[in-house]
Amino acid sequence: QQQVKQSPQSLIVQKGGISIINCAYENTAFDYFPWYQQFPGKGPALLIAIRPDVSEKKEGRFTISFNKSAKQFSLHIMDSQPGDSATYFCAASKSGGSYIPTFGRGTSLIVHP
Amino acid sequence: NAGVMQNPRHLVRRRGQEARLRCSPMKGHSHVYWYRQLPEEGLKFMVYLQKENIIDESGMPKERFSAEFPKEGPSILRIQQVVRGDSAAYFCASSFSRGTDTEAFFGQGTRLTVV
Repeated sequence: QQQVKQSPQSLIVQKGGISIINCAYENTAFDYFPWYQQFPGKGPALLIAIRPDVSEKKEGRFTISFNKSAKQFSLHIMDSQPGDSATYFCAASKSGGSYIPTFGRGTSLIVHP
Repeated sequence: NAGVMQNPRHLVRRRGQEARLRCSPMKGHSHVYWYRQLPEEGLKFMVYLQKENIIDESGMPKERFSAEFPKEGPSILRIQQVVRGDSAAYFCASSFSRGTDTEAFFGQGTRLTVV
């Protein structure tokens, strides 16, 4: 499976600030890019996802920006809250085959009150 | 509507013992995926199964690891003769149908500790 590179590994943000997590991929066949949120002791949960036919998708305070030519996508968390403190994983997968997302290494986000 | 159920939540095994991890998918889901998560690392794909079939096991170690998803009952990930390096969190996910538009729901994981 192709690697998905995620950065930063950890991120500390003040309450109300913007959290930005970046991912890059190599396989141009990928056409589905989900982000997962994982709290300690829990399984990952789908947060938001995007396809390459759009450059941005917004759901509440969470926005995915997608740059197809650069093969990069990022998660922006606006007005970050302490409850957003979790590990975030980006992933990529491709249609036409089995749904087996390839995950980035994760970003541990801490939002200080 | 219960989510993906994994048990046990925590499992301690001595080196050389066998570990059996169970995953009951969400109701109506026939696709199951197993992932391994090591500390400070992401989720590594291990195996993808449908009822009674292994679809993709490219991420599964060739030895000591096996998986099944019988017609009846939960999916089982089996690790024989465990070693300390097998200590990790093992997550199962399930989905309704094949294809990238279908969300995969994760269980809470089984944390395996080999002593």
